[in-house]
Amino acid sequence: EVQLVESGGGLVKPGGSLRLSCAASGFTFSFSTMDWVRQAPGKGLEWVSSITSRSSNIYYADSVRGRFTISRDNAKNSLYLQMNSLRVEDTAVYYCARGGVYLDWGQGTLVTVSS
Amino acid sequence: EIVLTQSPGTLSLSPGERATLSCRASQSISSTYLVWFQQKPGQAPRLLIYGASFRATGIPDRFSGSGSGTDFTLTISRLEPEDFAVYYCQQYATSLRTFGQGTKLEIK
Repeated sequence: EVQLVESGGGLVKPGGSLRLSCAASGFTFSFSTMDWVRQAPGKGLEWVSSITSRSSNIYYADSVRGRFTISRDNAKNSLYLQMNSLRVEDTAVYYCARGGVYLDWGQGTLVTVSS
Repeated sequence: EIVLTQSPGTLSLSPGERATLSCRASQSISSTYLVWFQQKPGQAPRLLIYGASFRATGIPDRFSGSGSGTDFTLTISRLEPEDFAVYYCQQYATSLRTFGQGTKLEIK
């Protein structure tokens, strides 16, 4: 059974930093492109970032480029999102998803940016 | 960036009726890279349709997808109570994926 489990969310002040993690199991993580997707409260889905299987290619949405960094550790079957210079508008549930058609999603972790 | 525009924003229908949801792309995309998701409150999205017209595993055959180029459609032939949710289309034809803004399907 595929499992994606996010962690690391919480309350942070504007300008602060947070690091999200996604622990993967049930599939060959090292062969999979992985993505982060977020959803602000009461809003739609927004793609945030993608990283290919060997970290060769990395992409970011314009809204986070230069502030967020996606990375992965294939030995640990883990995906990360380092979020710096956080803004109020970054408040959202952050999901990790297996790339391609997004067949598999985690349950999400809530990030709240507020003073 | 490819913009996906979904319509209508809200669709009010009764169980047993047919639902037709639209997703229009700002430029032509290969149908291979067009997917549809269903999301219920408090849950992660669930993949319904991939490749514009292929049902994901376990998705009932009342759900169907069609379209090509810039115009794509999700049809639910006979609505069941559990189908009332928000539906999103997404494209991954480019490295910068985008979602539509969603269509909320509500009970009339």
